Amino acid sequence: EAQVTQNPRYLITVTGKKLTVTCSQNMNHEYMSWYRQDPGLGLRQIYYSMNVEVTDKGDVPEGYKVSRKEKRNFPLILESPSPNQTSLYFCASSLTGQQDSPLHFGNGTRLTVT
Amino acid sequence: KQEVTQIPAALSVPEGENLVLNCSFTDSAIYNLQWFRQDPGKGLTSLLLIQSSQREQTSGRLNASLDKSSGRSTLYIAASQPGDSATYLCAVLYSSASKIIFGSGTRLSIRP
Repeated sequence: EAQVTQNPRYLITVTGKKLTVTCSQNMNHEYMSWYRQDPGLGLRQIYYSMNVEVTDKGDVPEGYKVSRKEKRNFPLILESPSPNQTSLYFCASSLTGQQDSPLHFGNGTRLTVT
Repeated sequence: KQEVTQIPAALSVPEGENLVLNCSFTDSAIYNLQWFRQDPGKGLTSLLLIQSSQREQTSGRLNASLDKSSGRSTLYIAASQPGDSATYLCAVLYSSASKIIFGSGTRLSIRP
């Protein structure tokens, strides 16, 4: 089944403890991206990647890192999480990131930083 | 600044009615506009994608239109059903920097 898989679904951590949220897609998509969703603020793009080894900042990249060493994986890294990073995170992918490519979303990761 | 706006934020209609959800965006230099559905606590499901060169797309009871010159898109839902209750989001892929910007969504409730 074609899908975007995020892990974990739920994560509770403490301030300053490094964490990684994994994202994997099995559709050979070139474009991958991360979003956070917050009440009243909607979905905001954190980082995106047009292809392997190519990553760019979205609207809210501060406090996050990403890497794209393989086409299928796009992990989101929080080196030193803070409570304001408590949010619902989504990974998404599309074939090319161009006009004819719909976005496919993972099921989300709910992160709580205490 | 590139912005995407959805009005109203919430809508409640009786079952069987036809309805229209609105999405407006600044800057007409877009690659595409996509409509999504999000159920509570779940991810986003793609409904329709309209490329910048297209005027509308249809899937079942759903029809989405795009007017780049006015910066507007509508999602038309025919013969609404309680199962259509969800939050509907539009997202614009802008040509510059391949940036995707989402609207804040319309929370739709269909009353039986």
